[in-house]
Amino acid sequence: GDSVTQMEGPVTLSEEAFLTINCTYTATGYPSLFWYVQYPGEGLQLLLKATKADDKGSNKGFEATYRKETTSFHLEKGSVQVSDSAVYFCALKSGDRGSTLGRLYFGRGTQLTVWP
Amino acid sequence: EAQVTQNPRYLITVTGKKLTVTCSQNMNHEYMSWYRQDPGLGLRQIYYSMNVEVTDKGDVPEGYKVSRKEKRNFPLILESPSPNQTSLYFCASKFTVQGANGYTFGSGTRLTVV
Repeated sequence: GDSVTQMEGPVTLSEEAFLTINCTYTATGYPSLFWYVQYPGEGLQLLLKATKADDKGSNKGFEATYRKETTSFHLEKGSVQVSDSAVYFCALKSGDRGSTLGRLYFGRGTQLTVWP
Repeated sequence: EAQVTQNPRYLITVTGKKLTVTCSQNMNHEYMSWYRQDPGLGLRQIYYSMNVEVTDKGDVPEGYKVSRKEKRNFPLILESPSPNQTSLYFCASKFTVQGANGYTFGSGTRLTVV
């Protein structure tokens, strides 16, 4: 079945460091891929998304490219800030027709802490 | 404002005492879903609903019930809560039509069962 494997955390970085959080997926059909962010004490917010191979999603300085050949959707940011400290979830929306259509599958989440 | 509203935000209850967590959306979405979030496990789907009167089990449905009598509401019912249901719960909704519309999540309900 569809699934997402996400880099285990926690990740601790200094401000202005480069961030990569790895995410790979297994899916049938043509899934859409997402990164969600959860700030302390809050719900999940959509950070960025990509709907087909080679699409690049971007938002707030974060980027991720949908790589079908490596089944990956790694999250990157060139210079992190203290305010980026949060839990990041990679997610897949099934493209398989049938009862699972539209269902989201989440990775386990990666806690990012950025120190000043 | 388009949103998913969950209540309550925080709840402490005792084992066996029936409870309901409400979820309401104002976007006329067909699809609604409940997830639980546990450390190291990410979010796991409990139940989902494709439309009114259409519900189905997710990955971890045991100990939970849902109903979808009207499009906007999708309550989560714990008939006899147990401590292993202590978790952070999220409701989410979206349009069912195929496409890349993102989900809208509620703010979460932190449940503690003692």
